[in-house]
Amino acid sequence: EDKVVQSPLSLVVHEGDTVTLNCSYEVTNFRSLLWYKQEKKAPTFLFMLTSSGIEKKSGRLSSILDKKELFSILNITATQTGDSAIYLCAVEGSYGKLTFGQGTILTVHP
Amino acid sequence: NAGVTQTPKFQVLKTGQSMTLQCAQDMNHEYMSWYRQDPGMGLRLIHYSVGAGITDQGEVPNGYNVSRSTTEDFPLRLLSAAPSQTSVYFCASRNSQGYGYTFGSGTRLTVV
Repeated sequence: EDKVVQSPLSLVVHEGDTVTLNCSYEVTNFRSLLWYKQEKKAPTFLFMLTSSGIEKKSGRLSSILDKKELFSILNITATQTGDSAIYLCAVEGSYGKLTFGQGTILTVHP
Repeated sequence: NAGVTQTPKFQVLKTGQSMTLQCAQDMNHEYMSWYRQDPGMGLRLIHYSVGAGITDQGEVPNGYNVSRSTTEDFPLRLLSAAPSQTSVYFCASRNSQGYGYTFGSGTRLTVV
């Protein structure tokens, strides 16, 4: 059975802090690992990673995948209150099926 | 280009009632999926489809049916609603070579 585990489950920081979110997985027929941000509605796409060791970056957010150790991290630098959200890690296996982790609830205080 | 459209946005059902959650996409995506989201459990796959006429079960299919008669539409049917089906439901799609899924805005379902 495919499995994705995220840690921590919740995190409270102050603006300007740097945070690291973790995602480990066990998936047969790995195709990709995806990070999503969810505020009050639908998840919105952040990154897709398919190859080990290649960092994806978008502004203050970055992510990297380690396919040997089966994990990924999402870094957010200089956090802002607008970064407060649930961050979801998902792994895509066979037939486009996504397996999600429980999510990390990030709260950024002013 | 509307993306993935889900209707209704909110619904209250009585135990034992049936209903259909609608999902439509206008991006000609082959892959479509239904997920439910419950607090502390992330999103869990209910059913998925890799093209018109092809569907299969996900992690939590019991109590739900789907069909895929066209590429655009992927309705989710609740046969006899139960309080355990109270949840937020998301539909998502992507094309066969695509990167990442596009999600609909969700349907919040309460079964009383």
